[in-house]
Amino acid sequence: GAVVSQHPSRVICKSGTSVKIECRSLDFQATTMFWYRQFPKQSLMLMATSNEGSKATYEQGVEKDKFLINHASLTLSTLTVTSAHPEDSSFYICSARDGTGPLNNSPLHFGNGTRLTVT
Amino acid sequence: SQQGEEDPQALSIQEGENATMNCSYKTSINNLQWYRQNSGRGLVHLILIRSNEREKHSGRLRVTLDTSKKSSSLLITASRAADTASYFCATANTGGFKTIFGAGTRLFVKA
Repeated sequence: GAVVSQHPSRVICKSGTSVKIECRSLDFQATTMFWYRQFPKQSLMLMATSNEGSKATYEQGVEKDKFLINHASLTLSTLTVTSAHPEDSSFYICSARDGTGPLNNSPLHFGNGTRLTVT
Repeated sequence: SQQGEEDPQALSIQEGENATMNCSYKTSINNLQWYRQNSGRGLVHLILIRSNEREKHSGRLRVTLDTSKKSSSLLITASRAADTASYFCATANTGGFKTIFGAGTRLFVKA
C-alpha cells in the first residue's frame, strides 16, 4: 500500500516554456503533499507543502510564481514550473503521508521523481 | 534549511561487511527516519524511530537514536551488492509536519 505515482519521469523542454508535473496518491488520501528538489549527488531540498483545497506553503527562497502548486483533490497535486530556464533543470520529487495514521509519526511515501532538463 | 548532517559522505565496503552511517541534527525532533534512494529514483522509507526510543531493528537494519547527543546511526549488517544506494536521515520537528533531510551517505557495496 501507500503508493505515490509521479509523472512524467523525464521531460525535456525549451527555455521559456512551462512544464507540469503530477503527483498522485494511488491507494490513500493525502491532504498534504510535499515537493522536493534534488541536485546531483545532493540532498533533498523542501520546496513547498501542498495543501488540499488551499494555497501551498512555500519554503524561504522558493518563488511561488515560478513554481505553481495546485492540490485540487485528496489524491492529486501538481507542480508547474513556469517559464522554465536552464537553471531550473533538476530532479523534482513529490511525497505524501498516509493520512489515516498519526501524521507526526508516519513516514513519507515518495514518487519516483521527475528529471527536468531545460534547454 | 537542511538540518541533518551525515557522515561519511561516501562509504565503500565489501559484500558481507557491515556498513554504519551516522546522522546528527540540530533541533528538537518528534522522530527520525532513514530512507534509501537508488540512483535517479524516489526515496524508500526504511525505518522510523521515535524520540522516546533508543534502538530499533528491521531485518538487517539497526537504528539507534541518542537525543542527548542529537545523533542517530544506521547499521546495515551483512551487506549485499544490492544495498548500494544513497541513504538519508530525515527529521520531523516537534510539530511533526515538515520532514527535513540530511546530506546523505552514498554506500557502494562491492561484490
